[in-house]
Amino acid sequence: AIQMTQFPSSLSASVGDRVTITCRASQGIGIYLGWYQQKPGRAPKQLIYAASNLQSGVPSRFSGSGSGTDFTLTINTLQPEDFATYYCLQDHSYLTFGGGTKVES
Amino acid sequence: EVQLVESGGGLVQPGGSLRLSCTASGFTFSSRVMYWVRQTPGKGPEWISAISNSGSDIYYTDSVKGRFTISRDNSKNTVFLQMNSLRADDTAKYYCAKIGVRDGFDTWGQGTMVTVSS
Repeated sequence: AIQMTQFPSSLSASVGDRVTITCRASQGIGIYLGWYQQKPGRAPKQLIYAASNLQSGVPSRFSGSGSGTDFTLTINTLQPEDFATYYCLQDHSYLTFGGGTKVES
Repeated sequence: EVQLVESGGGLVQPGGSLRLSCTASGFTFSSRVMYWVRQTPGKGPEWISAISNSGSDIYYTDSVKGRFTISRDNSKNTVFLQMNSLRADDTAKYYCAKIGVRDGFDTWGQGTMVTVSS
């Protein structure tokens, strides 16, 4: 099974900061990776699909990059509503979620 | 509007059974692979099962193999998860999802809580 290692597991940031979250796959997954944001009590919400494509309606301060085994989610100019937990998800082979990154103030 | 609505969760004793349902609307249900994902409070999501658009291909994570059964009724736009021999560690919020990692057509239900406890 493909393992997804996500780091950091948590980070402290302030409004206006640039935040970077990384996921590493245990084997190559091409670009079959998505990034999700989750707030307490809510279902995950897709931000990025196919590694670098911005989901419709998602602010352009979110961006994704990478292919193969290493992927990055960047949040430019962090906004108050961005404090949440973020997960990567691969679907190259079945589904595997990363362990999550909690972005807190 | 694209929507998934789950039902069937609740409190069940260890060893018991539950059947979850997820009804879809707003998209061509019969053309999409459907997934069940669960999440224990305070932890990350975990994929547990998938079913191809026709229902001919079915997959499970190891921890539920032999206990859970996924199925679908394309005439009713509904996917099911029959859960037998439930254990305390099956306690979680269960989500039905149309995963769009490859194409962006991604939708999740609101989730239904399953609690396994005596």
